[in-house]
Amino acid sequence: QKEVEQNSGPLSVPEGAIASLNCTYSDRGSQSFFWYRQYSGKSPELIMFIYSNGDKEDGRFTAQLNKASQYVSLLIRDSQPSDSATYLCAVKVGGGADGLTFGKGTHLIIQP
Amino acid sequence: DARVTQTPRHKVTEMGQEVTMRCQPILGHNTVFWYRQTMMQGLELLAYFRNRAPLDDSGMPKDRFSAEMPDATLATLKIQPSEPRDSAVYFCASGSLRDSPLHFGNGTRLTVT
Repeated sequence: QKEVEQNSGPLSVPEGAIASLNCTYSDRGSQSFFWYRQYSGKSPELIMFIYSNGDKEDGRFTAQLNKASQYVSLLIRDSQPSDSATYLCAVKVGGGADGLTFGKGTHLIIQP
Repeated sequence: DARVTQTPRHKVTEMGQEVTMRCQPILGHNTVFWYRQTMMQGLELLAYFRNRAPLDDSGMPKDRFSAEMPDATLATLKIQPSEPRDSAVYFCASGSLRDSPLHFGNGTRLTVT
């Protein structure tokens, strides 16, 4: 049974601070890891993906992967009120476009 | 800007009625997924197709749900008969072997009374 766990929150962070979102997964065969952002009433949109251990940076976002510990995290620097959303962690076992297993998401609130 | 298109956006129906949801994947994407999202369960994978062939529908209640892909530009998800517990947002997503991330449509919000 593939499981992806996230703290549901809400996680409240002051504007301009760093928001840290964490995710753990149960399947050691997981190879691809994704972070999606979902605004209320909208569809999930891809923020970042990471395949290798270590950090991957894209603008204000940094994804971190530690396969030995089976966790992946997302850091958002200089948090903005527009970053307030639910962040979904997703993992995929194997290559190719197979189905993603999603966590239930962390609700992030950026306080102005 | 290529996107996945889903219809209808909203559907309200009475218990026992048939519901059909449609999805047009991004041109060139060969894999189509159906997900269901509820507050309690989050996003659950119902079924997916590759090159129009069904690969996995283990997440789908077989007695009432059916998914098909009659051609490369259309995927359908049917519920017959619908029940109140089917109320959820149903998302279609598409992807390709080269482009691993999935791209989601805007979803169909289904309410069964």
